[in-house]
Amino acid sequence: GENVEQHPSTLSVQEGDSAVIKCTYSDSASNYFPWYKQELGKGPQLIIDIRSNVGEKKDQRIAVTLNKTAKHFSLHITETQPEDSAVYFCAARGNTGTASKLTFGTGTRLQVTL
Amino acid sequence: GAGVSQTPSNKVTEKGKYVELRCDPISGHTALYWYRQSLGQGPEFLIYFQGTGAADDSGLPNDRFFAVRPEGSVSTLKIQRTERGDSAVYLCASGPRGNTGELFFGEGSRLTVL
Repeated sequence: GENVEQHPSTLSVQEGDSAVIKCTYSDSASNYFPWYKQELGKGPQLIIDIRSNVGEKKDQRIAVTLNKTAKHFSLHITETQPEDSAVYFCAARGNTGTASKLTFGTGTRLQVTL
Repeated sequence: GAGVSQTPSNKVTEKGKYVELRCDPISGHTALYWYRQSLGQGPEFLIYFQGTGAADDSGLPNDRFFAVRPEGSVSTLKIQRTERGDSAVYLCASGPRGNTGELFFGEGSRLTVL
């Protein structure tokens, strides 16, 4: 089955700086890679996703890059703000049968300090 | 409803007891997933429904865990003879399309087994 590794486990940045979180996956058949933000006591919320036919996607201060050859993808947050502080999870999913589930990384706790 | 609804939000039970956790997905969503999240970890897949049938139950840890979705909407996760190791947050997610769409998560049911 799919295995997703995520680094770093914790990340502290100053407000206004950029934050980068990296993930690798094992199953070359995976073709959908979402990123979720989870605040304390809440369920994960999708912030951006990318499909395997695209190398990069951007939405305001958030961007995701995908390298299918190396099987890794990254989340980039620019001009960080205190409200960006949360736990971020990457995930990967295939598109057929039992591969339709999302496999999550172990999470990155992002702390944006003033 | 506006989002995925899970009840109860918190459940405290004694070892050996039976527990039911309920998930009410977004209206019209055919795909429904159950995940389990332990402290400091990413969500771990349990079971996936497409309509009324379990399309993938490979994540259920043992036969004490069972889930149903009899009418293709509300789902119930059932845990028999609970153990302390079952303590976790149980997350439900639904999606408009089983394999390719975004998943929307509820806020979870926190289960504590004493």
